[in-house]
Amino acid sequence: NAGVMQNPRHLVRRRGQEARLRCSPMKGHSHVYWYRQLPEEGLKFMVYLQKENIIDESGMPKERFSAEFPKEGPSILRIQQVVRGDSAAYFCASSPTGTGAVGTEAFFGQGTRLTVV
Amino acid sequence: AQSVTQLDSHVSVSEGTPVLLRCNYSSSYSPSLFWYVQHPNKGLQLLLKYTSAATLVKGINGFEAEFKKSETSFHLTKPSAHMSDAAEYFCVAMNTGFQKLVFGTGTRLLVSP
Repeated sequence: NAGVMQNPRHLVRRRGQEARLRCSPMKGHSHVYWYRQLPEEGLKFMVYLQKENIIDESGMPKERFSAEFPKEGPSILRIQQVVRGDSAAYFCASSPTGTGAVGTEAFFGQGTRLTVV
Repeated sequence: AQSVTQLDSHVSVSEGTPVLLRCNYSSSYSPSLFWYVQHPNKGLQLLLKYTSAATLVKGINGFEAEFKKSETSFHLTKPSAHMSDAAEYFCVAMNTGFQKLVFGTGTRLLVSP
């Protein structure tokens, strides 16, 4: 059973371009979470999705950021018109049920490191 | 609001000596607590988790942590450090019924020969 797969591992974008980050959850997992790690900081929650639904996007910036988890295919985190401050590592995690259940573990991917030049 | 504080940004130990990484949490509820490890350019791996079943939790690679409600602490320990333990360690909390993991800022463990 492959783990959580994120691609690309590294992404370089010029200011104003779009960045698309992909996440394939573990087999059998229908809950996906995106977290952002800024340099020298811990991970910050961005969004929680189930298949075709956004459950909680309270950590997403109001503009330029969007996420989806379609019925078929990977979850996508999309950043439009990137700025230097978007440079960070973006981690995806998946779980078989919501992590709100006691002790449910979230499995993390290796992350996508976005650099905006 | 829930928060997690990791008291040391860096901890340096010699190989073979004990490791102590400190974590305090603040929560109105009894949370689930986790320790994750992140090796350079790698994803996060779960070391151990506390879910109220037992206050002393044993994890992988010889790590363990003790939940102390009176001190709101969940410190990570290992009797004898190994070079391969050098990594970033995150203390993480989650209130039951909520979906967000709340991360501490991380502690970088350095192990010298």
